[in-house]
Amino acid sequence: NAGVTQTPKFRVLKTGQSMTLLCAQDMNHEYMYWYRQDPGMGLRLIHYSVGEGTTAKGEVPDGYNVSRLKKQNFLLGLESAAPSQTSVYFCASSQLDRVYNEQFFGPGTRLTVL
Amino acid sequence: GEDVEQSLFLSVREGDSSVINCTYTDSSSTYLYWYKQEPGAGLQLLTYIFSNMDMKQDQRLTVLLNKKDKHLSLRIADTQTGDSAIYFCAESRDGGFKTIFGAGTRLFVKA
Repeated sequence: NAGVTQTPKFRVLKTGQSMTLLCAQDMNHEYMYWYRQDPGMGLRLIHYSVGEGTTAKGEVPDGYNVSRLKKQNFLLGLESAAPSQTSVYFCASSQLDRVYNEQFFGPGTRLTVL
Repeated sequence: GEDVEQSLFLSVREGDSSVINCTYTDSSSTYLYWYKQEPGAGLQLLTYIFSNMDMKQDQRLTVLLNKKDKHLSLRIADTQTGDSAIYFCAESRDGGFKTIFGAGTRLFVKA
């Protein structure tokens, strides 16, 4: 099993450009998440999904959109990139077992917006 | 992650014990987690504790939970250079499917 994979690993964008980050998981998990990691701030939740076809806003959703058309994939879109979106983006998936929720993380995408 | 607080850095000598502390805010959190992030990688669950427990031991790892003070700690015995990483404290929210992470404690192990 590959677990959680993310593409691309690195990307440099110019302000105003758009891009889509792809997350895929092969564990048949219901829940998927997108986080951003910034120095000294830990992980902040951008958007999440509790099942195929559903999405919801997290802590910092502005400037991002997501889609979950297939259970195994969760896409994060930036329509008009800004320098403030320079960050490392992590995707995670989990299968809630009552209230126990171990999340499995991808290796991350390092995004720089110039 | 501002509701879960932890110190940003800890430096120890190889062979010593490391203690990483965390305070959380939601008294209804049922599970508390410690995740480890090695350089250039995603987070990986290291250990967890259920809220009705005071202590959990797993080989070199000891987790202590003080629910009254909302304080969680992770002790690593006989710390090795391979333990150098960022350690994140996290608490469960909203029935469990949301997890709130602290900012992470970067552990430096000196040989």
